[in-house]
Amino acid sequence: GEDVEQSLFLSVREGDSSVINCTYTDSSSTYLYWYKQEPGAGLQLLTYIFSNMDMKQDQRLTVLLNKKDKHLSLRIADTQTGDSAIYFCAEIGDGGYQKVTFGTGTKLQVIP
Amino acid sequence: DAGITQSPRHKVTETGTPVTLRCHQTENHRYMYWYRQDPGHGLRLIHYSYGVKDTDKGEVSDGYSVSRSKTEDFLLTLESATSSQTSVYFCAIASGGLTRVEQFFGPGTRLTVL
Repeated sequence: GEDVEQSLFLSVREGDSSVINCTYTDSSSTYLYWYKQEPGAGLQLLTYIFSNMDMKQDQRLTVLLNKKDKHLSLRIADTQTGDSAIYFCAEIGDGGYQKVTFGTGTKLQVIP
Repeated sequence: DAGITQSPRHKVTETGTPVTLRCHQTENHRYMYWYRQDPGHGLRLIHYSYGVKDTDKGEVSDGYSVSRSKTEDFLLTLESATSSQTSVYFCAIASGGLTRVEQFFGPGTRLTVL
């Protein structure tokens, strides 16, 4: 089956940039996603990137996709304490709606 | 919010008892999902539905069944709960086209099986 891997934990100081990395194995991925989960809540879609793009920027968020290496990253500029959460990458393969595979999640801790 | 509620939000039960979790949506979306979230595993798909009475298994479906008799409700049943089913359960709905799936998640149900 497909695997989506993330490091489990990242700690950064407030105001610094955060970079959360993700690797995936399904070469047929069409869209890749980043979700944010705050404590005690469900996941919220942050952003997504289509597989024929290399980069997408959305305010403080920058998504980079290296399709050759199957590597996805999320950069958060000027990280704030409100960014503390678990971040999940996810991919959708050619199976459509039923083939969304989530990574293990990276817990981001922002130190004031 | 995408109009998804889950009930109950918390439940403690004993091994061997049946448990039903409910997901309710007000968005009239066709696709609904049940996931479980466990440390180190991310979210894993249990079952999903692509319409009323149309359901299929995900990667961790053993010990779970689902039903969807109305568009707005998707029920997850643990026929005989086991301690390995202690987890946080999330319901999701999906919008978008065939390949661009945007999922919206409910607040979760924390289930403890003693």
